[in-house]
Amino acid sequence: NAGVTQTPKFRVLKTGQSMTLLCAQDMNHEYMYWYRQDPGMGLRLIHYSVGEGTTAKGEVPDGYNVSRLKKQNFLLGLESAAPSQTSVYFCASSQGQGGTYEQYFGPGTRLTVT
Amino acid sequence: AQSVAQPEDQVNVAEGNPLTVKCTYSVSGNPYLFWYVQYPNRGLQFLLKYITGDNLVKGSYGFEAEFNKSQTSFHLKKPSALVSDSALYFCASGSARQLTFGSGTQLTVLP
Repeated sequence: NAGVTQTPKFRVLKTGQSMTLLCAQDMNHEYMYWYRQDPGMGLRLIHYSVGEGTTAKGEVPDGYNVSRLKKQNFLLGLESAAPSQTSVYFCASSQGQGGTYEQYFGPGTRLTVT
Repeated sequence: AQSVAQPEDQVNVAEGNPLTVKCTYSVSGNPYLFWYVQYPNRGLQFLLKYITGDNLVKGSYGFEAEFNKSQTSFHLKKPSALVSDSALYFCASGSARQLTFGSGTQLTVLP
């Protein structure tokens, strides 16, 4: 099993450009999450999904959109990138509700917006 | 609202000595508490969790954590530190669907 994979690993964008980050999991998990990690701030939840076709806002959703068209994939989109979105993005999945079950994390995507 | 705090940004310990990484929590109701570890350029890995029951929780790689309700703490411990334990450690609290993470503690084990 590959677990949770993320593409791309690195990306540099200019302000105003758009991009999509792809997360895939092969554990048949219902729940999936997108986080951003910034120095000294831990991980903050952007959006999450409790099943195929569902999405919900997390702590810092502004400037991001997500889609979960297939159970194994969770996409994070930036419509118009801003320097404040420079961060490391992590995807995670869990078998059950994220507050009580172990979450499995991908290796991360380092995004720089200039 | 729920939150966790990790009061130390950095903890240094000599190899072979016991280590403690501190975490305090503020949650309503019964707390669900977790510890995760992040090695350089990697995603987070689950170490252990407390849901209910025994206050001493044992986890991966010889780590354990002690839940203390009166002090609202959930400190991570290991009896004998290894250089390979050097990493970034996160405490987290869980609600029904989400985890809320602390700011992280960088643990450095000195040879």
